[in-house]
Parts: sequence; structure tokens; C-alpha cells
Amino acid sequence: EAGVTQFPSHSVIEKGQTVTLRCDPISGHDNLYWYRRVMGKEIKFLLHFVKESKQDESGMPNNRFLAERTGGTYSTLKVQPAELEDSGVYFCASSNLQGGLQFFGPGTRLTVL
Amino acid sequence: AQSVTQLGSHVSVSEGALVLLRCNYSSSVPPYLFWYVQYPNQGLQLLLKYTSAATLVKGINGFEAEFKKSETSFHLTKPSAHMSDAAEYFCAVSPLVKAAGNKLTFGGGTRVLVKP
Repeated sequence: EAGVTQFPSHSVIEKGQTVTLRCDPISGHDNLYWYRRVMGKEIKFLLHFVKESKQDESGMPNNRFLAERTGGTYSTLKVQPAELEDSGVYFCASSNLQGGLQFFGPGTRLTVL
Repeated sequence: AQSVTQLGSHVSVSEGALVLLRCNYSSSVPPYLFWYVQYPNQGLQLLLKYTSAATLVKGINGFEAEFKKSETSFHLTKPSAHMSDAAEYFCAVSPLVKAAGNKLTFGGGTRVLVKP
């Protein structure tokens, strides 16, 4: 069974540009989570989808971040426009039950210059 | 609100020595507790979890952790370190009550270096 995959693995962009990160959860997992680790800080929750609905988006830092999960399969996280402080590693996780074990992807390392 | 504190951002141990990584949590009620490990260039992998059953939890790769409610701690140990244990370790909690959502709250991570 394939695990959680994320694309790209690395992205380097300039301040003001747009970047879209993609997460493919484990097949059949209705719950999808986004987390972020800014350098030197702890991993922080961004948001949680149940199928295509946003269950909890309390961790989204501001309106420059837009997450979608059309069709309830893969998810995208768009940052527009990117700022320097958006640099970090963005992790995606999925679980088959709410409250179930979360399986993490390898992360996307975003660098904003 | 829940919070997690991991004492020591870096730990250096000799091969064969005890590995002890400390984790304390703050929560109004005992939460679910987890230890994850991240090896270089890989995603987070679950080592073990506590879900209100036995207080001593055994995980993969010889790791175990003990939940101590009175100390609000969930320290991770391994009796004998191996070179392959070099990685970053994260303690995390999630609410016990599903209605509160089950987002994970992480500690800052502890990077383990194993010396030959």
C-alpha cells in the first residue's frame, strides 16, 4: 500500500510568487491534515479535511494560504503571495478515522527568498 | 490549550548507551500521547502511542515510553542505542475527546546523535 506522498519535495521561490503544494493521502483515508514546521520551531497544525470539507482550519496563519480538497482525494495548499516567513517544511498526514492514527508524508521543503 | 515540552533540542549518546528523551505535556485532561521519529529525508514515522491503556508502552525498534499522570510526562527510552537511531524525535499529543478535533500538538523535537 502506498503511503502519503507529497509534491514537490523541495521548492525555492522568490517573495511575492505563488506556490502550490500537493498531498496525496493513503487511498481510502477520509481525513487529511496539513502541518508546518518553520525552522527552529515546533511542527504546527494548519488544517484538517474530512473528505472535501474543512473540519478545522484554526491553524491557517493568514488569508495568503488556501487549502483545497476537491473530490475528497488529493489536497493542495497554495501560498499566494509567498513571504519570507513562509519558509519551512510542510507536512501532510492522513488517517482513515477521525481520531485514528495519522500517517505522515515526507514533507515539502519551501524556501522563500 | 494543550502544549508539549521536550527537554533538550539535541542529545548525544554513545552506541550501546541508554537513550532517554524527555517529554512533558500540559492538558486539562490526559490526552493521547505519541512519539514520532524522523529519519533524514523521510517523513514522520510513529514509534509508539499511549491511548489510556497500559502506562508502559512498547514501540518499534526497541523503544518504550511510560505515561506518568502525576508528572504529566511521557519520556521515551531505549536501553541500548544503535547507530541507526540517529534521527529527530517528536513527542505529540491529541485530545482525548473526538469532538475537540484530533489535531496533533508537537513538542520542539530532539535530535539524537549516536557516537560510535
